[in-house]
Amino acid sequence: EVQLLESGGRLVQPGGSLRLSCAASGFIFSNYAMSWVRQAPGKGLEWVSVINGGGEETYYEDSVKGRFSLSRDNAKNTLYLQMNGLRAEDTAVYYCAKGRLWSPLQDDVFDIWGHGTMVSVSS
Amino acid sequence: SSELTQDPAVSVALGQTVRITCQGNSLRIYSASWYQQKPGQAPVLVIYGKNSRPSGIPDRFSGSTSGTTASLTITGAQAEDEADYYCNSRDGSGKRFFGGGTKLTVL
Repeated sequence: EVQLLESGGRLVQPGGSLRLSCAASGFIFSNYAMSWVRQAPGKGLEWVSVINGGGEETYYEDSVKGRFSLSRDNAKNTLYLQMNGLRAEDTAVYYCAKGRLWSPLQDDVFDIWGHGTMVSVSS
Repeated sequence: SSELTQDPAVSVALGQTVRITCQGNSLRIYSASWYQQKPGQAPVLVIYGKNSRPSGIPDRFSGSTSGTTASLTITGAQAEDEADYYCNSRDGSGKRFFGGGTKLTVL
C-alpha cells in the first residue's frame, strides 16, 4: 500500500526552527517528485515546495523562499522540510504529497497525500 | 498570473448535476487537477489531466477546460460528495498554486 507518514510538527516560538519528515512506503520513492502543501486553520490549501526525484532541483512558494529548505534521502525513502525563521503565518497542517513524475516541470498533480503534521508558531 | 479563482460555495440537490469552476490564465497552457477534502481529512485527488480519474474515484466525477476556465462536474451528486473542492495548476517556473476552494453542499 502506498503511504506517506509525516512527523515533526509541534509548537515553536516565532523565529524558531523545525524539521518536518515524511516517510514514504509502497512505491519507488526516487522515481517521483515530492511536495509539501500546507493548510492554515480554517483556510485553503497552499503549495509550499517541490523537489525532483533525484533531489537536485527544488522550487519554493515566495513567502517561504530563503527560510525553508526541501531535501530528500532516497536511501531512506524520506522527505525533509527544514523550516527556519518561523512566523505566526506559518501555522498550519503540513501535508506531504507525491507527484506522478520524476520532474516537477512536467507535472503538477499530487496523487497521494499523507495525513499531515501540525505546526504551530506562537509565543 | 498565478491566481486561480473559485466560487466559495455551491449547492446541489441530491441526485442532480453540479459544476464547480476554476478560472486562471495558467489554464490556457496547463491542465487543472481537482482535490476533494472532507472535514478533518487529507485531500484526495479526484480528477487530473484532460479528464482522468484515479482508480477508486466514481465515474460521476468528470473534468473539462475551456479557455481559462476548468470545470469539475459531478453528475448525480451523492450525500458523500459534500466536501471542499480545490483546483490546482502550475506556471512554467515549477511553482504550483491552488484555488481558494469551493464548499459543496448537497441538499
